[in-house]
Formats: sequence, structure tokens, C-alpha cells
Amino acid sequence: GAVVSQHPSRVICKSGTSVKIECRSLDFQATTMFWYRQFPKQSLMLMATSNEGSKATYEQGVEKDKFLINHASLTLSTLTVTSAHPEDSSFYICSAPAGGRTGELFFGEGSRLTVL
Amino acid sequence: QKEVEQNSGPLSVPEGAIASLNCTYSDRGSQSFFWYRQYSGKSPELIMFIYSNGDKEDGRFTAQLNKASQYVSLLIRDSQPSDSATYLCAVSPGGYQKVTFGIGTKLQVIP
Repeated sequence: GAVVSQHPSRVICKSGTSVKIECRSLDFQATTMFWYRQFPKQSLMLMATSNEGSKATYEQGVEKDKFLINHASLTLSTLTVTSAHPEDSSFYICSAPAGGRTGELFFGEGSRLTVL
Repeated sequence: QKEVEQNSGPLSVPEGAIASLNCTYSDRGSQSFFWYRQYSGKSPELIMFIYSNGDKEDGRFTAQLNKASQYVSLLIRDSQPSDSATYLCAVSPGGYQKVTFGIGTKLQVIP
């Protein structure tokens, strides 16, 4: 079964509104989670690293005021897309490290955001 | 220069054949190497990981790593139509550090 649960799987919103995506680790604690974005026929691009109890680390070119990340507990990280625009329409995927030296990631199911 | 390079394909192989997927990476500090499979509209799922030079086999899948050449490959034997998907190569320094993905190679297995 899934070890990382992501919700919602699909969301459609109007331009200018905000959308929150939740990512939960099931049966394990995740002090770190990664948020990726994937546009059609493109690779997964890391947006930010979510750290429990501290500020997220954003990749270059990702607006931290637009993509708000909160990692308030060891099992929950949220991504809020504020003032969404059609160009924010994408597939957003969260992941959590499996632990140890591997670097393996457990992925959530992904959230398909469509901004009208 | 892209950090992880893959041919986007599509790579078409007949059912039962061997599919060979290739990947090169630029960071010599990379320690962990992964192949993920991604079906359309779904999130990636891990197929194999490899750390050491050489081959690693798991069922119909064989991953090959050559750190000197900065090259990783995935062989799929006895390809099945259900193997049709996009295969993402990913590399990481290891541990909790970020994983970098290639664009993925789309594989089509023709019945």
C-alpha cells in the first residue's frame, strides 16, 4: 500500500484563487519532504524541500511567496499555490525519503492542478 | 548542461524483446542511481536502484552502472506491453539530499 498519501488528486480552480495540497507520510515520520512539479512531457523538477519545524528550502526560480510550504508535523507537509494562474497548471508530486543512505523516495499519488 | 540526460524516445520494441534504456549524469559526486517507471498521469514508482559499478539484476530488469563513464542503463528482458511507460533515470548524492531526474524515456512495447 501507499506509504505517502497526497490529496487532492485533482483540483480545478479559478485564476486568482489559492489551492492547498496535502502530503502525509503513513506509518513513518518524515522530517523532510520534497515537492516536485512536472509539466507535460517534462521531467520532475524539484520545487522545494520541506523541513519539519523550520522553513522550507526553495530551488532557484521558485517563488516562495507564491508556493507556500508548511511542514508542521512529522507526518504532514502542505503546499499552497497562492493566487494561481493558468501557467501554474501542472502535476504536483510530493515525496519523502525512504531513509538511510539510499536516497530512495516514496512518492505521493500526485495532484493534477488545472487553473482556469 | 543538463544534470541527467536521457533520450525522450519513444523507444519501440516488440513484445518479448530486450529494451535498453540509457542515461548519463554530470555530477561525479552522485552515489545513488535509480530507475523509476511512470505511467501516464501517475506518480513514479521505483523499479531499481544501484550504487556500485557493474550490474544488478532483479527479475526481468538489470541495471548497469559505470561511474567512470557517468553512465547508467536499464535492460528489460522479455518486454511486455504492460512495460509501456516512461522510465525516469534519477541520481542522488545519497542520504536525504535531493534527487535529480532526467526527462524520461518513453517505452512502447508492441504486441
